[in-house]
Amino acid sequence: EVQLLESGGDLVQPGGSLRLSCAASGLTFSSYSMTWVRQAPGKGLQWVSSISGGGGTTYYSDSVKGRFTISRDNSNNALYLQMDRLRAEDTAVYYCAKTFTSTMWYRGFDLWGQGTLVTVSS
Amino acid sequence: QSALTQPPSASGSPGQSVTISCTGTSSDIGYYNYVSWYQQHPGKAPKLLIYEVTKRPSGVPDRFSGSKSDNTASLTVSGLQAEDEADYYCISYEGSKTLVFGGGTKLTVL
Repeated sequence: EVQLLESGGDLVQPGGSLRLSCAASGLTFSSYSMTWVRQAPGKGLQWVSSISGGGGTTYYSDSVKGRFTISRDNSNNALYLQMDRLRAEDTAVYYCAKTFTSTMWYRGFDLWGQGTLVTVSS
Repeated sequence: QSALTQPPSASGSPGQSVTISCTGTSSDIGYYNYVSWYQQHPGKAPKLLIYEVTKRPSGVPDRFSGSKSDNTASLTVSGLQAEDEADYYCISYEGSKTLVFGGGTKLTVL
């Protein structure tokens, strides 16, 4: 079965760090760009970051640039999001999502994980 | 990275058609054909309905269709069914290597 499974969400204090993981199965992971999308409680979806299939090119929204780092390990079919200097407004469910191709990450997200909740609060 | 504008709500009776709009600018929807639409039921992950403005992934019923005119993209749901009641989101490539999302539309099947 083709699926994505996020993990790593937790309660963390403002200014703290957290690393999210997304395990992929049933697909040739390196063939696809991957993206993190978040959704604050009761709010809409927001793009966070994307990475090319090979991992050499990354993209970030202005709201997380300089604080979050996206990476991937194609040998282990895993996607990561290192989140530093967390703020209350980063509180959200974080989804990983797959695109159709390795490079055109903005074409559309055809497979999503179930999400992992990050809560930033003292 | 300005958000796309969607109506907060839409509604229709079973069997009817409903169209949800998504308005951007000449820098995103008006320039690129990379608009996608997603359906999200409460507590669930989003599901891709339409990509590249009009294309439908396999498995998505042809009751769902997409279009674009100038800076506005639209999602039409024909033959409304009870299970279509959900939140719908549009996304567009904005260039500058960024994506913009709509605020979402809650579709109610009366």
